[in-house]
Amino acid sequence: DARVTQTPRHKVTEMGQEVTMRCQPILGHNTVFWYRQTMMQGLELLAYFRNRAPLDDSGMPKDRFSAEMPDATLATLKIQPSEPRDSAVYFCASGRDDNQPQHFGDGTRLSIL
Amino acid sequence: GQNIDQPTEMTATEGAIVQINCTYQTSGFNGLFWYQQHAGEAPTFLSYNVLDGLEEKGRFSSFLSRSKGYSYLLLKELQMKDSASYLCAVLSYMEYGNKLVFGAGTILRVKS
Repeated sequence: DARVTQTPRHKVTEMGQEVTMRCQPILGHNTVFWYRQTMMQGLELLAYFRNRAPLDDSGMPKDRFSAEMPDATLATLKIQPSEPRDSAVYFCASGRDDNQPQHFGDGTRLSIL
Repeated sequence: GQNIDQPTEMTATEGAIVQINCTYQTSGFNGLFWYQQHAGEAPTFLSYNVLDGLEEKGRFSSFLSRSKGYSYLLLKELQMKDSASYLCAVLSYMEYGNKLVFGAGTILRVKS
């Protein structure tokens, strides 16, 4: 079965450091999503790409977060500088289109000390 | 804006039937998804409703009433492995396309 692949699976770093998370969407999927999940806020949409173009990043803190799709096989989410409140699980998901089921990667468990 | 409500927790017995409700308020409604998420794992797709009525898929069924802003997920013949969080997610049409917003999830505990 095709899967969304995320790296790293776990990341522990000190506040102020840059964090880069990577995602390889399922081949043939033209929509890619980044979500953040915490106990308090649940699953929140951070960024959405269709055909590599960013369409919605309204859920993303613009001052420290950035999301890009350098090519169709790679999406990145960067945090610089990181803060303890960024500690969460970050999921990438992809879909054939934005009205189709989204397939989630295993997530990156991020801890900022 | 959007508002999605589902119970925080439910407990049911192995072999029984459980219904998890979800109510929502949104503009530009374009469908409703249910996802299952086991602890420490990623959400996985269960069902999708865009028209009123019942969609059945094995032990799981999902119902939608667009006029009432209401959906439920029905799980039959409960198994211990069904213990998980169940997320209701509403798809709404935006000017750029569709946006999926997730509810907080219902934690289902299945006891023997």
